[in-house]
Amino acid sequence: SAVISQKPSRDICQRGTSLTIQCQVDSQVTMMFWYRQQPGQSLTLIATANQGSEATYESGFVIDKFPISRPNLTFSTLTVSNMSPEDSSIYLCSAGAAGGGTDTQYFGPGTRLTVL
Amino acid sequence: GENVEQHPSTLSVQEGDSAVIKCTYSDSASNYFPWYKQELGKGPQLIIDIRSNVGEKKDQRIAVTLNKTAKHFSLHITETQPEDSAVYFCAASSGAAGNKLTFGGGTRVLVKP
Repeated sequence: SAVISQKPSRDICQRGTSLTIQCQVDSQVTMMFWYRQQPGQSLTLIATANQGSEATYESGFVIDKFPISRPNLTFSTLTVSNMSPEDSSIYLCSAGAAGGGTDTQYFGPGTRLTVL
Repeated sequence: GENVEQHPSTLSVQEGDSAVIKCTYSDSASNYFPWYKQELGKGPQLIIDIRSNVGEKKDQRIAVTLNKTAKHFSLHITETQPEDSAVYFCAASSGAAGNKLTFGGGTRVLVKP
């Protein structure tokens, strides 16, 4: 399995500002993903973080709002830009199994974001 | 794209009884079906998974069954304990879709002592 950490664990932000969330995996992984979980809801995929190339976004999510970086095989960041109260959610990163496993995904503890 | 439906949305059981959660999926190309347990304030934890070449898988008190023809899969928890209380999510993915997980809506399980 992969051990995943996220920073910050929670934050309270003002409308119009941006927050960058970091995701660190304890081993090199092929696949990394970012999800959003709105209060009391299920998980929705934001994008696939591709190492060395631009992220692949799902319908309804755009790069200008959620820019993603993935500089290497163990680290990724998600920025929530120009935040509004509707962005208040839990943001989760996940990673595939170490050694290039393609389907099993493990999740980080999440970043709980509140936008005032 | 894939659509995953999960039932029931809430489930209350007496300690020691069994709990069953059912999911259906729409994309016949899906070939990987994990189950996650999410406790309050934590990220989802993978508890069991099944691939499309297997009909059933068991790990101690939990088991998952898959019916590819009917496109449904189920999670069974036997001898439930209070620490089984959590939200459970099913999901589906396929390699053809980049291994992206599509989640069901979740089931809130409460085990009453």
